[in-house]
Amino acid sequence: NAGVTQTPKFRILKIGQSMTLQCTQDMNHNYMYWYRQDPGMGLKLIYYSVGAGITDKGEVPNGYNVSRSTTEDFPLRLELAAPSQTSVYFCASSKGADSPLHFGNGTRLTVT
Amino acid sequence: AQSVTQLDSQVPVFEEAPVELRCNYSSSVSVYLFWYVQYPNQGLQLLLKYLSGSTLVESINGFEAEFNKSQTSFHLRKPSVHISDTAEYFCAVSDRTGGFKTIFGAGTRLFVKA
Repeated sequence: NAGVTQTPKFRILKIGQSMTLQCTQDMNHNYMYWYRQDPGMGLKLIYYSVGAGITDKGEVPNGYNVSRSTTEDFPLRLELAAPSQTSVYFCASSKGADSPLHFGNGTRLTVT
Repeated sequence: AQSVTQLDSQVPVFEEAPVELRCNYSSSVSVYLFWYVQYPNQGLQLLLKYLSGSTLVESINGFEAEFNKSQTSFHLRKPSVHISDTAEYFCAVSDRTGGFKTIFGAGTRLFVKA
């Protein structure tokens, strides 16, 4: 079982560039999430979705955009990369609010 | 708004000693509580969860956590740790007022010494 798949694993961006972090899950989960992890800060929720066509902001949404056109995919878009967006990004999915999150292996992004 | 506070950023402990990792949350309604573990260079894995019922929940590798509604706490304990327990541990909460999104604490790094 693939579970939650994130691509790419690593990426270096120049300031002002844009990119899309891909996330797909094959568990038919309704809930999907994007988190960023910074040292000593834990995981901060960027955006989440409770189903196809429904997205909502998390704790730190500024500078990011998402879409959820299918149950399987939940891409995260960075429009104008800034050094403050250097982080490790995790995508996760779950069946519902009372279900544990299944995490991808993360994308390490550096903006210089 | 929901929030999670992990009171210790790092906890060093000797092998076979007991350990407690503290977690407090803020929420005014029923909550779901989770502990996740992250080993170096990996994603997070579920350790244990509290949804309802018995306030003491256990994991398969000897960890346990107790839900205390009056103190809004969900501390993680293990009576005897192993070197392999060295990892970062995250407490997380989701509740109805938060739209059932899951919020994480800042994490506690457990370092087990021989």
